[in-house]
Amino acid sequence: NAGVTQTPKFQVLKTGQSMTLQCAQDMNHNSMYWYRQDPGMGLRLIYYSASEGTTDKGEVPNGYNVSRLNKREFSLRLESAAPSQTSVYFCASVAGGSSYEQYFGPGTRLTVT
Amino acid sequence: AQTVTQSQPEMSVQEAETVTLSCTYDTSESDYYLFWYKQPPSRQMILVIRQEAYKQQNATENRFSVNFQKAAKSFSLKISDSQLGDAAMYFCALRDSGYALNFGKGTSLLVTP
Repeated sequence: NAGVTQTPKFQVLKTGQSMTLQCAQDMNHNSMYWYRQDPGMGLRLIYYSASEGTTDKGEVPNGYNVSRLNKREFSLRLESAAPSQTSVYFCASVAGGSSYEQYFGPGTRLTVT
Repeated sequence: AQTVTQSQPEMSVQEAETVTLSCTYDTSESDYYLFWYKQPPSRQMILVIRQEAYKQQNATENRFSVNFQKAAKSFSLKISDSQLGDAAMYFCALRDSGYALNFGKGTSLLVTP
């Protein structure tokens, strides 16, 4: 049982390049989330997926797209990276219903130059 | 809108002493959950303690306890018998009806020998 996994762990992009951050969970959780963490800002919600087949915008969705490929996987895509997207990205999941604990992946440190 | 405020950017405590980290929040919902997460230098988000708003009793997990004041919308974390391994960023978080977490900006805890 690996929990929540994210790939890659580190990435450097040039401005304008695109990339997809991958997230997978093996806990059969319904809901999945993407957050970004910037110094002094805490974690902010980018997108979330309450269940397979649905996605919704969070607090800071601009410049990102997501895909809930199946119940296990939730990817985050940067179509044209900008320096303002330099951040640490976390994926998380929660079972839903009466459950409320979020399980986090190890994070991806992304630098856009 | 829900907000979470951590007014102490940095705190310091001596080993074996007790420290309290502050958190205030604002929500219009009557049913919610509050959390404290620890983020060590490894950047993994680790759940420390959680509190259900409908429970009057303060949550306790070993050396960690909370002081939950619902009317004042205050949720402080007390760490007793502080250890070097407690040094980390601590984030207060509020869960809304969509299961996403709203985070405060964090408090950096330094533990000195």
